[in-house]
Amino acid sequence: NAGVTQTPKFRVLKTGQSMTLLCAQDMNHEYMYWYRQDPGMGLRLIHYSVGEGTTAKGEVPDGYNVSRLKKQNFLLGLESAAPSQTSVYFCASTWLGPYNEQFFGPGTRLTVL
Amino acid sequence: AQKITQTQPGMFVQEKEAVTLDCTYDTSDPSYGLFWYKQPSSGEMIFLIYQGSYDQQNATEGRYSLNFQKARKSANLVISASQLGDSAMYFCAMREGPGYSGAGSYQLTFGKGTKLSVIP
Repeated sequence: NAGVTQTPKFRVLKTGQSMTLLCAQDMNHEYMYWYRQDPGMGLRLIHYSVGEGTTAKGEVPDGYNVSRLKKQNFLLGLESAAPSQTSVYFCASTWLGPYNEQFFGPGTRLTVL
Repeated sequence: AQKITQTQPGMFVQEKEAVTLDCTYDTSDPSYGLFWYKQPSSGEMIFLIYQGSYDQQNATEGRYSLNFQKARKSANLVISASQLGDSAMYFCAMREGPGYSGAGSYQLTFGKGTKLSVIP
């Protein structure tokens, strides 16, 4: 099992460009999440999904959109990138297990110039 | 108010010594879960240990134990016999609401982390 994978691993964008980050999990998890990690800030939740076809806003959703068309995939979109979106982005998933611990992808480092 | 507070931005510990990383939390929900994650310099997030709000005993996983003091709303991570490979960022996180219910989002709120450095 690959677990949670993220594509791409690194990306550099210019202000105003758009891009989509792909998260895929092969654990049949219902719940998926997108976080951003900035220095000294911990991880902050951007959007999440409790099942295929559903999405909801997290703590810092502005400037991002998401889609969960298939259970195994969760896409994060930036329509018009801004330098403030320079960050490391993590995808995670979980299930109704004893702990509900979240399994994380390796992260995507995004730089917006 | 912050839901998860980690007051130690950085900590040093001698190899083979024990170290405690502090975490306090704030919630009015009677059912919640507390997690610790490790993030080495390579960047991945590694789940270490979990404590449920109704668990009677402190959680332990190998060299990791969680000192859970419910009345004080603290969930400190204790690492025994520190190793050089323990050098990393450590994050405390909380899930509000019960697990297993299927009715929640199971989202986590993270603290800002503590950078642990193990000295040989």
